[in-house]
Amino acid sequence: DIQMTQSPSAMSASVGDRVTITCRASQGISNYLAWFQQKPGKVPKRLIYASSSLQSGVPSRFSGSGSGTEFTLTISSLQPEDFATYYCLQHNSYPLTFGGGTKVEIK
Amino acid sequence: EVQLVESGGGLVKPGGSLRLSCAASGFTFSSYSMNWVRQAPGKGLEWVSSISSSSSYIYYADSVKGRFTISRDNAKNSLYLQMNSLRAEDTAVYYCARDLFTSSGWPDYWGQGTLVTVSS
Repeated sequence: DIQMTQSPSAMSASVGDRVTITCRASQGISNYLAWFQQKPGKVPKRLIYASSSLQSGVPSRFSGSGSGTEFTLTISSLQPEDFATYYCLQHNSYPLTFGGGTKVEIK
Repeated sequence: EVQLVESGGGLVKPGGSLRLSCAASGFTFSSYSMNWVRQAPGKGLEWVSSISSSSSYIYYADSVKGRFTISRDNAKNSLYLQMNSLRAEDTAVYYCARDLFTSSGWPDYWGQGTLVTVSS
């Protein structure tokens, strides 16, 4: 099974900061990686698919990159509505696996 | 409008059983693979199971294999999760989801979830 190690698990940041979250796969997954955002009490929402493609309607300050085993989600300028928990998901093979999550909190 | 509505959650004793349902509307249910994802209180997301559109392909997380059974009834536009031999660690909100992943940008759709609590 493929393990997804996400870091950091939590972080504090200020509005306007550049934020980078990393997911590492235990084996190569090509670009079969998605990023999700979940706000408290809400269902998850996909931001990025195929490692680097922006989901329609998602602000362009979100971007994804990576291939193989290392992936990053970047928020170029953190906005108040971006404070949430972020998860990566590998779908290269079953069982699908989520990363442990990164909680982005207000500094 | 795509809608996914889960039901069937509740309080059950360890070792007990529960059947979750997900009623789908607003799309051609029989054309889509479907998924169950769960989230324990205060914890992260965990994929549970997936089923292809015609039920030909079924997959489970190791943590539920042999205890949970995913199924669907395309005539009723419904997805199910039969959960047997429940354990305390199965306590979670269970979501059904469509298009959990995509290579072509289709949006993901999630139900609001149903809470399963396993406790004596």
